[in-house]
Amino acid sequence: DAGVTQSPTHLIKTRGQQVTLRCSPKSGHDTVSWYQQALGQGPQFIFQYYEEEERQRGNFPDRFSGHQFPNYSSELNVNALLLGDSALYLCASSLAELQGIYEQYFGPGTRLTVT
Amino acid sequence: SQKIEQNSEALNIQEGKTATLTCNYTNYSPAYLQWYRQDPGRGPVFLLLIRENEKEKRKERLKVTFDTTLKQSLFHITASQPADSATYLCALLASGGSYIPTFGRGTSLIVHP
Repeated sequence: DAGVTQSPTHLIKTRGQQVTLRCSPKSGHDTVSWYQQALGQGPQFIFQYYEEEERQRGNFPDRFSGHQFPNYSSELNVNALLLGDSALYLCASSLAELQGIYEQYFGPGTRLTVT
Repeated sequence: SQKIEQNSEALNIQEGKTATLTCNYTNYSPAYLQWYRQDPGRGPVFLLLIRENEKEKRKERLKVTFDTTLKQSLFHITASQPADSATYLCALLASGGSYIPTFGRGTSLIVHP
């Protein structure tokens, strides 16, 4: 049973560029959440997708957008990259009926470096 | 504003001792509190959940306490091992339906053989 997978593992982009990160949830999970984790900080919630719709959003600008596909996989898009967007981007999956209370399963993350 | 505080300094202990990590919060009324383990360059791994009406929860060598009066949770690892070395994150989930966890910055635990 595959856990949460993310791609790519590492990515280097230049300021102003756009990036797309991908996530496949744990088998049987229907909800995907995205987090940004800066070095030395805890993960910060970006948004959550369920039934192909953005269900909740954290305090992130519109440059951050996402999508969920019918197979529950998800993408995170970031436009007009800034140096401050450099971070580990984490995807977490859960079951909507449990509201993520009991546990979320995190992927290994994508390390994004903006130069 | 809401604040979650975990010791920013690493906790160094000897193998076999009990490690105790602290999570304090202000301006928050969590319905649930979670603890996660995170290894360098990896995603967090869920360890334990405790509800606001529970005082203590145990799982193998792990114990979590939750004091809503003090606004504090303590996380204990008994008989610690070098393999327990990692960063431990606490996360608070508020009532009201959203249940999106708000994470602390984590505390690094180093267990010396």
